[in-house]
Amino acid sequence: KAGVTQTPRYLIKTRGQQVTLSCSPISGHRSVSWYQQTPGQGLQFLFEYFSETQRNKGNFPGRFSGRQFSNSRSEMNVSTLELGDSALYLCASSFGSTGSNSSPLHFGNGTRLTVT
Amino acid sequence: AQKITQTQPGMFVQEKEAVTLDCTYDTSDQSYGLFWYKQPSSGEMIFLIYQGSYDEQNATEGRYSLNFQKARKSANLVISASQLGDSAMYFCAMRDNDYKLSFGAGTTVTVRA
Repeated sequence: KAGVTQTPRYLIKTRGQQVTLSCSPISGHRSVSWYQQTPGQGLQFLFEYFSETQRNKGNFPGRFSGRQFSNSRSEMNVSTLELGDSALYLCASSFGSTGSNSSPLHFGNGTRLTVT
Repeated sequence: AQKITQTQPGMFVQEKEAVTLDCTYDTSDQSYGLFWYKQPSSGEMIFLIYQGSYDEQNATEGRYSLNFQKARKSANLVISASQLGDSAMYFCAMRDNDYKLSFGAGTTVTVRA
């Protein structure tokens, strides 16, 4: 069974540009969530989608947006890039249940974004 | 308020010995799930073990076990018979009813030969 696939693996952009990251979940998984990892802030939740609906959003500015398609694939977009957006962006997929019945989230290898 | 607290920034362990990584959590929800992930230097996040808040028995997965003490709100990870390949960053995380994983700051484990 294929794992979570994120593309591209590495990306270098300049300030002010925009970027789109892609995530293909494990087959059968309907939930996709995105996380930003930086040395200073650690792992922070961006948003979660289930069946094309955003169920939760983290505390990030509106420059960060996402969407999910009918085949559960997801994209994340960051507009007007800032130097502080340099980070590892991780996508995770799961069956989508939560609370004490949570199914494990399986992560992709991440996209490392560098903003210069 | 910090939902997940990992107080050990780094730990050294001798090969073949056991190591315990501490994790405490904070939630007012009765229904929640606790996870441990391993992140090697290559960056991928590897799922290790899961414990649901209503599970009465501690979870085990191979050499990993989760010491779940609900009243103390702690979910410590025990790695038995450490191997060199266990050297990595370990994250404790919780998912309550808001569909997101809240992560701790992580603990770096270095296994010595």
